[in-house]
Amino acid sequence: EADIYQTPRYLVIGTGKKITLECSQTMGHDKMYWYQQDPGMELHLIHYSYGVNSTEKGDLSSESTVSRIRTEHFPLTLESARPSHTSQYLCASSPRLAGESSEQYFGPGTRLTVT
Amino acid sequence: AQSVTQLDSQVPVFEEAPVELRCNYSSSVSVYLFWYVQYPNQGLQLLLKYLSGSTLVKGINGFEAEFNKSQTSFHLRKPSVHISDTAEYFCAVCTSYGKLTFGQGTILTVHP
Repeated sequence: EADIYQTPRYLVIGTGKKITLECSQTMGHDKMYWYQQDPGMELHLIHYSYGVNSTEKGDLSSESTVSRIRTEHFPLTLESARPSHTSQYLCASSPRLAGESSEQYFGPGTRLTVT
Repeated sequence: AQSVTQLDSQVPVFEEAPVELRCNYSSSVSVYLFWYVQYPNQGLQLLLKYLSGSTLVKGINGFEAEFNKSQTSFHLRKPSVHISDTAEYFCAVCTSYGKLTFGQGTILTVHP
């Protein structure tokens, strides 16, 4: 059973507001990821981290930012939300194993709606 | 660069019938392949994965997949589906540094 949590699960917010989506995992995983998923579409990697103080941009350009101050915590921030940010955001983590074959464990997601 | 193509966006099937969800990938190097399932309003759950060894991989909930290197495919199969298998299924390939590239997803709908 994966122990990775995301809050809030659902968020409706007005344009221009600053928001932070929380993601925490209790498995001690080094690697963490943020994906964006539009309805009926595939997941796109927007940020990832290989450990504390390590963050990288993913394959899909995003106006959001992330931080990794603690191993278990990987929050995503939007400084000024816009309707184009409406989407589902999924957080994932994986252990650092030999090779790159380790599976990723996903949180339940945050469904964001910007009005 | 790696890419994943799921050939069917939707697959309707009757309960207890067999099902196959198709996945093709492209990669210039060795790959690790995954199938994930996503139930409504939930995150993704790993069904099975291929890392090496036997090309037939068995996963949870009675699903299995076969890795075919010559056809660059990793199709998911189940001999008899249940209503509870209704969900969206994602095929994924592991890229460098452990990043996953996902296919577009296949919505499996099981009818009574």
